[in-house]
Amino acid sequence: AQTVTQSQPEMSVQEAETVTLSCTYDTSENNYYLFWYKQPPSRQMILVIRQEAYKQQNATENRFSVNFQKAAKSFSLKISDSQLGDTAMYFCAAQMIKAAGNKLTFGGGTRVLVKP
Amino acid sequence: ETGVTQSPTHLIKTRGQQVTLRCSSQSGHNTVSWYQQALGQGPQFIFQYYREEENGRGNFPPRFSGLQFPNYSSELNVNALELDDSALYLCASSLGSGGTNEQFFGPGTRLTVL
Repeated sequence: AQTVTQSQPEMSVQEAETVTLSCTYDTSENNYYLFWYKQPPSRQMILVIRQEAYKQQNATENRFSVNFQKAAKSFSLKISDSQLGDTAMYFCAAQMIKAAGNKLTFGGGTRVLVKP
Repeated sequence: ETGVTQSPTHLIKTRGQQVTLRCSSQSGHNTVSWYQQALGQGPQFIFQYYREEENGRGNFPPRFSGLQFPNYSSELNVNALELDDSALYLCASSLGSGGTNEQFFGPGTRLTVL
């Protein structure tokens, strides 16, 4: 079974500054995807960024980037130039490629508050 | 392209009752997964339906059941509601059930059990 852990319940950051969210996971599989999802107060789960485990290069999407350390089973998210609209819950999740069904295993979430 | 939709938005039930939640998958998607998100926690996988068959189940009791219809829309049924069933129920659809397929989430149904 896979587990995903987010150790930071809440983070606050000043507008335009950078914040890094931590995530660790545990799996015996070698092929998997890792995700960061954003869930604003509207509740809609929005995909922020995706990383394939077989790729060594860290994924980036505009102001969002990850630091993927496969050996350490660590997958952190960096939000640069934070904006007020980034205020939300952020969830780290893992999806195994070989498993029947593409279920996601989520961490407990980190609340990010961007202050003006 | 229509995204994933869920109904109703909010629902209030009393303990012991039964509830049905509905999900319409994104156009072209044949796989629907259901997740339960308790307040302040991450979503937990309930089960998945692929081409009208259950295709994986999480650690939820049999009173949580589902259906998928020929148009790939889906229902989640919960019998004998308990207070702990109060949660946000999320539906996600994908192009297939394989592990490379990205899931797209609906806005959720907030269920309150009194």
